[in-house]
Amino acid sequence: QSALTQPPSASGSPGQSVTISCTGTSRDIGTYNYVSWYQQHPGKAPKLMIYEVSKRPSGVPNRFSGSKSGNTASLTVSGLQTEDGADYYCSSYTGSNGFVFGTGTKVTVL
Amino acid sequence: QVQLQQTGPGLVKPSQTLSLTCAISGDSVSSAGAAWHWIRQPPSGGLEWLGRTYYRSKWYNEYAVSVQSRITVNPDTSKNHFSLQLDSVTPEDTAVYYCTGESGGGLDFWGQGALVTVSS
Repeated sequence: QSALTQPPSASGSPGQSVTISCTGTSRDIGTYNYVSWYQQHPGKAPKLMIYEVSKRPSGVPNRFSGSKSGNTASLTVSGLQTEDGADYYCSSYTGSNGFVFGTGTKVTVL
Repeated sequence: QVQLQQTGPGLVKPSQTLSLTCAISGDSVSSAGAAWHWIRQPPSGGLEWLGRTYYRSKWYNEYAVSVQSRITVNPDTSKNHFSLQLDSVTPEDTAVYYCTGESGGGLDFWGQGALVTVSS
């Protein structure tokens, strides 16, 4: 099972929006609505930001939103704040092969 | 609030077995609707899903194809924990290993992470 494809980096100024793409195949993102997004700061465990494509866990700001179209999922962070600078990983269920993560995107707040 | 506490050695010799345990508090390892996963992250690398165990009237396990022949994830209901066993390790298995819990569509709860180095 190959990793989902994400851009290595993305950036934006405070207050702007940034969107991260996550491209899979018809065997994962294209079939299942079990796409999640995780935020990871250096030296810390990942934190769940979005699950089931577009749902936000309690406590996650509504600046974070998720969507999916075909084999590609996206995470948008609106109104960027300095603390949003981190690595972001997508994940999808793949059926018989379990789960797969994306390659990761480093978000820099300029 | 669910908390996960990982324990296990930080150094394993090549060809030996890597063993880690994850103690659960605030939930049960056999909780309906929950699943318990192991994830790893090589130094300066991305996340890799390894496997999970969950109970739905009986126990189920799922493993990543990349480690399928070497991995075992076991629940222990008497101690309310789950474990990871990875056989025949090589230096490529050096990583930070995380145990995580899934309660509804995403990996909600994470252990503190443990660096396991494979070296002689």
